Amino acid sequence: QQQVKQSPQSLIVQKGGISIINCAYENTAFDYFPWYQQFPGKGPALLIAIRPDVSEKKEGRFTISFNKSAKQFSLHIMDSQPGDSATYFCAAHRGSARQLTFGSGTQLTVLP
Amino acid sequence: DGGITQSPKYLFRKEGQNVTLSCEQNLNHDAMYWYRQDPGQGLRLIYYSQIVNDFQKGDIAEGYSVSREKKESFPLTVTSAQKNPTAFYLCASSIRTSGANEQFFGPGTRLTVL
Repeated sequence: QQQVKQSPQSLIVQKGGISIINCAYENTAFDYFPWYQQFPGKGPALLIAIRPDVSEKKEGRFTISFNKSAKQFSLHIMDSQPGDSATYFCAAHRGSARQLTFGSGTQLTVLP
Repeated sequence: DGGITQSPKYLFRKEGQNVTLSCEQNLNHDAMYWYRQDPGQGLRLIYYSQIVNDFQKGDIAEGYSVSREKKESFPLTVTSAQKNPTAFYLCASSIRTSGANEQFFGPGTRLTVL
């Protein structure tokens, strides 16, 4: 019940295209769903996050879509750029435990 | 500059040796975390601490130990009991409140066992 399943493992997109990464969870106690972006050799950095009472959140070219009934959420990157090439992790926060459970990551490559 | 520092960036260890990874933060955060990152497996929680002099085991604590004697410092010791210690280790911190908050990550330490 603690797992967060992320797909695809890798994704190649042309510049200007849309990148879509999906995550699914089982534990209904999760109360916060962040996405982190990680460049090689660096620590992850928060990209965007959503709470389960909202179905969509948009920040610039990045959008989270959240489907509470299906226990799924996804990251959409519009007008993908080569600078977006990185590994993306979804995560889910466990309420009172204040812990994050991470997905396995998606390596995104945006071709110029 | 506010942030999290980890040292060293690269660390090499012989089998059978203990090694300590440093993590320091000047963000005045109460909570600190250690994660291990392996290719294709995401980040897995080793230990976390919500307050000074208190810490809890995460999902993969076996073969690791920590201390939290100061608010700004949360060192991780990788002991000889850890069977496969070669990995990228990440330290993080967050403000301790009743709700979920952003975790800020350090730059990581890559440990290689020779």
